[in-house]
Amino acid sequence: DAGVIQSPRHEVTEMGQEVTLRCKPISGHDYLFWYRQTMMRGLELLIYFNNNVPIDDSGMPEDRFSAKMPNASFSTLKIQPSEPRDSAVYFCASSQRLAGVSKAFFGPGTRLTVL
Amino acid sequence: ELKVEQNPLFLSMQEGKNYTIYCNYSTTSDRLYWYRQDPGKSLESLFVLLSNGAVKQEGRLMASLDTKARLSTLHITAAVHDLSATYFCAVDSTSYDKVIFGPGTSLSVIP
Repeated sequence: DAGVIQSPRHEVTEMGQEVTLRCKPISGHDYLFWYRQTMMRGLELLIYFNNNVPIDDSGMPEDRFSAKMPNASFSTLKIQPSEPRDSAVYFCASSQRLAGVSKAFFGPGTRLTVL
Repeated sequence: ELKVEQNPLFLSMQEGKNYTIYCNYSTTSDRLYWYRQDPGKSLESLFVLLSNGAVKQEGRLMASLDTKARLSTLHITAAVHDLSATYFCAVDSTSYDKVIFGPGTSLSVIP
C-alpha cells in the first residue's frame, strides 16, 4: 500500500482565496482524521470521520472550514475564504480500529501558506 | 475535557546520556501511542501500549504505561544524534472515542 496520500504537498495562496486539500486514506481503514500543526498550537485535531460519516468536528476553527468524505477512498478539507492565520501544515491520517486499537498512519502533510 | 500533557517540552541532551519523557493524561484510558516526527516530516508510529504495565522497547527507546497513574514514559538510553526529533504521545479514549495528542517533546541530541 502507498500509505496515506495527500495533495498538494505545498500550497501558496492569497488571502480570500478558496483552498482545497485532498486526502486518500489507506485502503480498508475506516477512520480518517484531519489535523493542523503550527508552532504556536501544536497538533490539533480538526475533524474525524468513521465510515465516511463525520463524527466530531469540534476542532474545526470556524465556518470557513469544511470537510467532506464522499467515499471511503477520498476526503477533502476546504477553507473558504482563506486567511493568513490558516497557514499551517495540514495532516490527514487514517486508521482501522481493531480490538480497540486505533494506530494512525499519517500522510506527508500539506504545507499551506496564505499571504 | 481530555487533556494530554508532556514533560519536558524541549530537551537538549548529550550523546550517551539517558533521559525520560513523561506523558500525563486526564481521563481513563488503557491505550496509548507514541509517535516520532522528524523536522519537516510527517508523524511515524513508534509504540502502541495496550494495557496497564505494558512495556515496549525498540533500540534505545523504551515506552511504558501506568494506567492507574495515567502516566506513560518514553525512556532514552545512551542517546545518539539520530534520535533528535519531536516525540508525541497520544491517548486513545473510549469516553471521547477519539485520540488526543500531547504537545510534543522536541529532543535535540548534541554530540
